[in-house]
Amino acid sequence: KAGVTQTPRYLIKTRGQQVTLSCSPISGHRSVSWYQQTPGQGLQFLFEYFSETQRNKGNFPGRFSGRQFSNSRSEMNVSTLELGDSALYLCASSLADRAGANVLTFGAGSRLTVL
Amino acid sequence: AQKVTQAQTEISVVEKEDVTLDCVYETRDTTYYLFWYKQPPSGELVFLIRRNSFDEQNEISGRYSWNFQKSTSSFNFTITASQVVDSAVYFCALSGYSGTYKYIFGTGTRLKVLA
Repeated sequence: KAGVTQTPRYLIKTRGQQVTLSCSPISGHRSVSWYQQTPGQGLQFLFEYFSETQRNKGNFPGRFSGRQFSNSRSEMNVSTLELGDSALYLCASSLADRAGANVLTFGAGSRLTVL
Repeated sequence: AQKVTQAQTEISVVEKEDVTLDCVYETRDTTYYLFWYKQPPSGELVFLIRRNSFDEQNEISGRYSWNFQKSTSSFNFTITASQVVDSAVYFCALSGYSGTYKYIFGTGTRLKVLA
């Protein structure tokens, strides 16, 4: 069965622009989580969605937002991009509603470069 | 507060050597889960193992073994007879229940296995 699909895989933006990243979870998985990975900070939790509702949120500014659709696909948006937003953005899905206790299946990530 | 510490930033070993990756965690939750994930150069994190706080039995899976000790709050990972394909970044993660579950990842240990 298909894994977690993230698009686009690579993108380059300039400061001040906005970006939307997409994540299609494994079929049947209702929980989708987003993480930001940078060399200095490691994996930082952004937010988690379950059944179209944001259930958990990390410590990121309001420029970072997300949503989940009825088919469990999720998008995250970053507005007014800053150089420090350059990172690998990882999406992960899980089967059951207790996402934190369950195994996460990750996508390959979207690598964002902000110039 | 929850915290995961992977003090080893990078480890280099020669093929066939054994190597242990350390993970120390902090949590006040009585119910929690510990995980190890592997991130190869392709970027996609791959699940290796999950342990719950009530199961301190060590586990062996092929060349991989895990040692969980609640007394020292550690969940160490050993690779026996390492191979070049083991080269990757390894993340330890903790998820405890505080209303909802949320994953906390360590900063990762980069393992380089030299031929």
